[in-house]
Amino acid sequence: LAKTTQPISMDSYEGQEVNITCSHNNIATNDYITWYQQFPSQGPRFIIQGYKTKVTNEVASLFIPADRKSSTLSLPRVSLSDTAVYYCLVVRDSNYQLIWGAGTKLIIKP
Amino acid sequence: KAGVTQTPRYLIKTRGQQVTLSCSPISGHRSVSWYQQTPGQGLQFLFEYFSETQRNKGNFPGRFSGRQFSNSRSEMNVSTLELGDSALYLCASSLGTSGGTQFFGPGTRLTVL
Repeated sequence: LAKTTQPISMDSYEGQEVNITCSHNNIATNDYITWYQQFPSQGPRFIIQGYKTKVTNEVASLFIPADRKSSTLSLPRVSLSDTAVYYCLVVRDSNYQLIWGAGTKLIIKP
Repeated sequence: KAGVTQTPRYLIKTRGQQVTLSCSPISGHRSVSWYQQTPGQGLQFLFEYFSETQRNKGNFPGRFSGRQFSNSRSEMNVSTLELGDSALYLCASSLGTSGGTQFFGPGTRLTVL
């Protein structure tokens, strides 16, 4: 059974780097990994997407090891405004099944 | 490009009534997915439509149904509303391929009294 698992919550402090890891043991060859950010009462917002190795954009980096059974979202130098819920999503290429993690509530403290 | 739009944004209904929510995807997107989110909970997948066909379905009772039109706009219907159906209903559109990013609308806040 395909499943995506991530920590329920994490705390950190302003200016720190935060790493959130998602486990997706049953990922298939052509599945993509995507991360989203959600603030209360808003729809989730796309952060970053990757297939393998490392992807970086202006807000985050995504690290994917060779076996692709996990992925790590890295947020550099977080601020209070990064307090949100972060979701990991694996999209199954064979049937477009959407395998969402339960979300990680990240709280940034001053 | 305009983003995903959902109407109405807020809705109040009473138990036993039915409701229809609408979602207009980003132009060119052929996939629309619907989610239910209750306070403090994660995204609960309802169903996904691609080119007017339901392609995937979550574990919700038959009271929850949907459809997609030829212009990719989608509607979701909930019949015989229950108090527990009070939630934020989100729709997301994408190209419909595995590498296609989902873009979410602002949601419809449904309150059932």
